[in-house]
Amino acid sequence: ILNVEQSPQSLHVQEGDSTNFTCSFPSSNFYALHWYRWETAKSPEALFVMTLNGDEKKKGRISATLNTKEGYSYLYIKGSQPEDSATYLCAFLGMEYGNKLVFGAGTILRVKS
Amino acid sequence: DAGVTQSPTHLIKTRGQQVTLRCSPISGHKSVSWYQQVLGQGPQFIFQYYEKEERGRGNFPDRFSARQFPNYSSELNVNALLLGDSALYLCASSFPGWANSYEQYFGPGTRLTVT
Repeated sequence: ILNVEQSPQSLHVQEGDSTNFTCSFPSSNFYALHWYRWETAKSPEALFVMTLNGDEKKKGRISATLNTKEGYSYLYIKGSQPEDSATYLCAFLGMEYGNKLVFGAGTILRVKS
Repeated sequence: DAGVTQSPTHLIKTRGQQVTLRCSPISGHKSVSWYQQVLGQGPQFIFQYYEKEERGRGNFPDRFSARQFPNYSSELNVNALLLGDSALYLCASSFPGWANSYEQYFGPGTRLTVT
């Protein structure tokens, strides 16, 4: 059974705090790792797609790193703002699983002003 | 440019009935994927179609089927509905190829309630 685990399940931070979440996935047969942000009443929005071990990607205050050998990715948010409140999802694509994108359950972030 | 559109927005059906959900991808996108999302879980992959061919299938029973049309829009059909089929059904399109290594552009979803 393919497991993609995200931690923590939820996080409450103050405005201005920096925070990070973890996505764990199988370390074998890696092909790609996606990160999405899903705000309430909106559609999931792509943040990053990462394919290379050691990849680091950045979009504004949000960045992500990837370690395919140990099977984890970190998502960092610097100086959290209330508009960062959302569910953050990661999704794993592995070569032995066909073209099946497997999502984690997500990390719910709430930023208080 | 219009994003991914889905219809209907909400749907209430009775157990045993059949339902058809529709999705129009972003113009120029040839790949369409379907996901089921239940509360507390991430989206679960159901199908992916590219150029009218099935390119990926998740662990769903044969009651679930889909197709893609020449204009790249897609339909998801679910037969013999069960209470457990109640969920948000998301459609996503991507570009340029068939592999799910490209970022997915999601629609707003169809909320299906089975009573």
